[in-house]
Amino acid sequence: GAVVSQHPSWVICKSGTSVKIECRSLDFQATTMFWYRQFPKQSLMLMATSNEGSKATYEQGVEKDKFLINHASLTLSTLTVTSAHPEDSSFYICSAEGDSDTGELFFGEGSRLTVL
Amino acid sequence: GENVEQHPSTLSVQEGDSAVIKCTYSDSASNYFPWYKQELGKRPQLIIDIRSNVGEKKDQRIAVTLNKTAKHFSLHITETQPEDSAVYFCAARIREYGNKLVFGAGTILRVKS
Repeated sequence: GAVVSQHPSWVICKSGTSVKIECRSLDFQATTMFWYRQFPKQSLMLMATSNEGSKATYEQGVEKDKFLINHASLTLSTLTVTSAHPEDSSFYICSAEGDSDTGELFFGEGSRLTVL
Repeated sequence: GENVEQHPSTLSVQEGDSAVIKCTYSDSASNYFPWYKQELGKRPQLIIDIRSNVGEKKDQRIAVTLNKTAKHFSLHITETQPEDSAVYFCAARIREYGNKLVFGAGTILRVKS
């Protein structure tokens, strides 16, 4: 199946700093990638849809100025958590559709963010 | 907004027994229903999926059934093994949700040996 790689796998930062997470499709081109956030013992909550060459589409309640998404190429999407606060600590996971007809999603490894 | 209901939230079974997890959805236009297994701290892994044009699909010890009339689908794991212990998520592609996948709340499955 298609491979999606995410980096870093974990990061610790101080409150007020910004953190960038990368999501790459390694063996296929992804015009659309999705960013999810998962709190402990909870489900995956869609944050935004990243579209190559255009602005991301954010879900209701997600601050677009806080979670900056850039999808500059067909194999890379980045999520930047700006001015991070402890409540932003979470597991962030990206995914990409390998085949838009099937809808099957391939997930990255996830990035665990801890904000001190 | 739209959501997918998943039950039970936790399930404990004895090794060798069967486990069943159920999900319901509300959009009759939904056409794709995957099931994911997620181990602690790891990415979700697709274990089986079903499309709206079939009622049942099986892959070794795992099967999924879909009842379009009742708008529910179920995951069946037979002859459970300790390595089946994980969190399982159902999902549905909801047309009115921009054709994106919406996930259920998850089921923690514990297989006791």
